[in-house]
Amino acid sequence: QKEVEQNSGPLSVPEGAIASLNCTYSDRGSQSFFWYRQYSGKSPELIMFIYSNGDKEDGRFTAQLNKASQYVSLLIRDSQPSDSATYLCAVEGGNNRKLIWGLGTSLAVNP
Amino acid sequence: NAGVTQTPKFQVLKTGQSMTLQCAQDMNHNSMYWYRQDPGMGLRLIYYSASEGTTDKGEVPNGYNVSRLNKREFSLRLESAAPSQTSVYFCASSAQVFTTDTQYFGPGTRLTVL
Repeated sequence: QKEVEQNSGPLSVPEGAIASLNCTYSDRGSQSFFWYRQYSGKSPELIMFIYSNGDKEDGRFTAQLNKASQYVSLLIRDSQPSDSATYLCAVEGGNNRKLIWGLGTSLAVNP
Repeated sequence: NAGVTQTPKFQVLKTGQSMTLQCAQDMNHNSMYWYRQDPGMGLRLIYYSASEGTTDKGEVPNGYNVSRLNKREFSLRLESAAPSQTSVYFCASSAQVFTTDTQYFGPGTRLTVL
């Protein structure tokens, strides 16, 4: 069982809709959670991080964390074609607190 | 402020050849990392350096060596390249090792081993 699980997609949403990306993790001791975006052929770049249960909003992006259920999600409101990318979930875990990466969810926003 | 830079951007090697991938950061970060990314495997940590003068193995260190030349530079060496090392290699840096600090990635090196 992978330690960080993401639906590979592709997730397809129309322009202007809300895109919902989910990530589950296995280490109950994890404290820090990150969402990175990776465009095709490019390197990952940080979108948001979250440490506390609940929601964290940054512009059109909202990260949601539920430690009891061991999942973290990313909502993208008013999705734009420029949001089309692969979204990587990374979770800090283990005794040495290394980042554990999910395989990513591919998002396609259709005009 | 260039962030994290990597050279070369592309490289083709024959099996058994050696090469060094270079990485430099200008953000005064203490920690640096080397990842490889393969389809279906995601990002996997090869080696990391928590601070100048230290290096540690990551998830997939076999076949690689690293050198933390100074605070800015962290190189990855393939001594005898194998087709299984065909991948995209990313260097990253952060203020402190892992913890909650954002990792900033370089543009990547696309390596093909024939």
